[in-house]
Amino acid sequence: QSALTQPASVSGSPGQSITISCTGTSSDVGGSNSVSWYQQRPGKAPELMIYDVSDRPSGVSNRFSGSKSGNTASLTISGLQAEDEADYYCSSCTTTSTWVFGGGTKLTVL
Amino acid sequence: QVHLVQSGAEVKKPGASVKVSCKASGYTFTGYAIHWVRQAPGQRLEWMGWITADNDNTKYSQKFQDRVTITRDTSASTAYMELSSLRSEDTAVYYCARDLFGRSLDYWGQGTLVTVSS
Repeated sequence: QSALTQPASVSGSPGQSITISCTGTSSDVGGSNSVSWYQQRPGKAPELMIYDVSDRPSGVSNRFSGSKSGNTASLTISGLQAEDEADYYCSSCTTTSTWVFGGGTKLTVL
Repeated sequence: QVHLVQSGAEVKKPGASVKVSCKASGYTFTGYAIHWVRQAPGQRLEWMGWITADNDNTKYSQKFQDRVTITRDTSASTAYMELSSLRSEDTAVYYCARDLFGRSLDYWGQGTLVTVSS
């Protein structure tokens, strides 16, 4: 199972919006609603930000939103804040009940 | 609240095995599956496998299929991941995570650093 494809890095200024893409295949992202996004700060465990493509766990800011079109899922962060600077990973359950992660995207807040 | 507490760091020699534990609290352990994910230094998250909640079925990544065993002890609310035939490339932080009914990994352990070195 190959990793999902994410851009290595994205950046934005405070207050702006950024979008991180996550491209897979019909065997994972395209064939599953179990697409999720995780935030990971240096030295820390990942934290769930989005599940079921676009749902937010309680406690996660509504500045974070998710969507999917075909084999590509996206995470959008609006009203960018300094505290959003972190690595972001997408993940998907596959049609064979395994899971796959993306390569990760480093978000820099300028 | 939900907590997953993992065992401490390990140093192993090439060819050895390591067994990492993950003790759950704050929820009904038998109601949720557990995943194991690893992250080599500076690298991406890599899914290794999971064990289901109800019947202890396991599913492993093809990459680790021959070397990994995931088990659970419901009486101790603890899951385990054992990786055998260790090599230097297995040096990584290993995480356990709770499965949200096949929808995501909603709570994560703090991670266990496994170092493989001669």
